[in-house]
Amino acid sequence: GIQVEQSPPDLILQEGANSTLRCNFSDSVNNLQWFHQNPWGQLINLFYIPSGTKQNGRLSATTVATERYSLLYISSSQTTDSGVYFCDCYDYGQNFVFGPGTRLSVLP
Amino acid sequence: EAQVTQNPRYLITVTGKKLTVTCSQNMNHEYMSWYRQDPGLGLRQIYYSMNVEVTDKGDVPEGYKVSRKEKRNFPLILESPSPNQTSLYFCASSFLSGTPYEQYFGPGTRLTVT
Repeated sequence: GIQVEQSPPDLILQEGANSTLRCNFSDSVNNLQWFHQNPWGQLINLFYIPSGTKQNGRLSATTVATERYSLLYISSSQTTDSGVYFCDCYDYGQNFVFGPGTRLSVLP
Repeated sequence: EAQVTQNPRYLITVTGKKLTVTCSQNMNHEYMSWYRQDPGLGLRQIYYSMNVEVTDKGDVPEGYKVSRKEKRNFPLILESPSPNQTSLYFCASSFLSGTPYEQYFGPGTRLTVT
């Protein structure tokens, strides 16, 4: 099955800084999603992005399917961006596979 | 509104007392699954179902049972809960028959077994 890695495992930022989170996957995928888990445990769907680039406010994501990676960009970070960011991959006929996550702490 | 619902949201129980956590989705999704998440860790899949009457083990199925008698429901059953099953549980669903293969998650169930 697909192997999914995320980097960095932990990231500490000062409020206002920009960051890039990376998700590598071992095989071709039909789906890639980015989730944010807030400090209360809620999983929030950020992007459904099997390929290409999407933007939503201060967040954007790019998936280069041929090179098997996806990037999540957070600009002008805020304390509310703190939490864990997961990528989740799916290959048709297989199963969904989550990465281990990147824990982000944004300091005021 | 498209959603995945779980009940209960919070549960404190005692060792050995059978319990069921319900999961329901209103999007006609074929795929449903259960995950558990322990403090500081990622999501580990317990069981998943590709369609009605089709279920498969995930990474950590021991101590759990599931059933998929209807497309919209996928209950998680703990026949004899133990303290090591204290965790945060998520149910998820998705289409498999066509794009988008996008997972929708329920709000989570916090289970404490004493």
